[in-house]
Amino acid sequence: GAGVSQSPRYKVAKRGQDVALRCDPISGHVSLFWYQQALGQGPEFLTYFQNEAQLDKSGLPSDRFFAERPEGSVSTLKIQRTQQEDSAVYLCASRPPGSRPMTQYFGPGTRLLVL
Amino acid sequence: DAKTTQPNSMESNEEEPVHLPCNHSTISGTDYIHWYRQLPSQGPEYVIHGLTSNVNNRMASLAIAEDRKSSTLILHRATLRDAAVYYCILTGGSSNTGKLIFGQGTTLQVKP
Repeated sequence: GAGVSQSPRYKVAKRGQDVALRCDPISGHVSLFWYQQALGQGPEFLTYFQNEAQLDKSGLPSDRFFAERPEGSVSTLKIQRTQQEDSAVYLCASRPPGSRPMTQYFGPGTRLLVL
Repeated sequence: DAKTTQPNSMESNEEEPVHLPCNHSTISGTDYIHWYRQLPSQGPEYVIHGLTSNVNNRMASLAIAEDRKSSTLILHRATLRDAAVYYCILTGGSSNTGKLIFGQGTTLQVKP
């Protein structure tokens, strides 16, 4: 079946520009996660949705970062007034229903470069 | 969250077995041991998971120590396509959301 898809795959933004990154999870997956991966580092958690509810946003680095999932399926990560330190790969993952064993399935990521 | 420790890098020859170790001495009784790998320019990919018993699937085997404080991911015959960063992650336990906490992982190089 179809996996997690993300768009765009690559985004170049000028400093100060707003960007929106899209994630289409696997159909039927109620849990959705966003991660940020800096060059040479492991992914770091940003935020978590269960259906349309954002239950954990503790990893969002600043109030310039905003995520939504209004209908409980597609999610958008928005970064306002981008800065050079926002340059990273943004990964989306979804997880099937059930509490165990919490396996997540990742998309290919969006590589963001802020100039 | 319980932490894992892995070597930064390992090398293997093609078609030879590879044993990737992971220490997780603070694992709780409800934590699953997950392995993901990340090929260049791709998102992390699920490899295998286990709780107490050893596990096998088409990609790899997972050997879990009896005290569960360490585990080993086994690739039976490494190929060039197995060159990736391998992450050992504990899930469940105290995390209600199941968010994954990645460390640096082990970068596996496979030599032809």
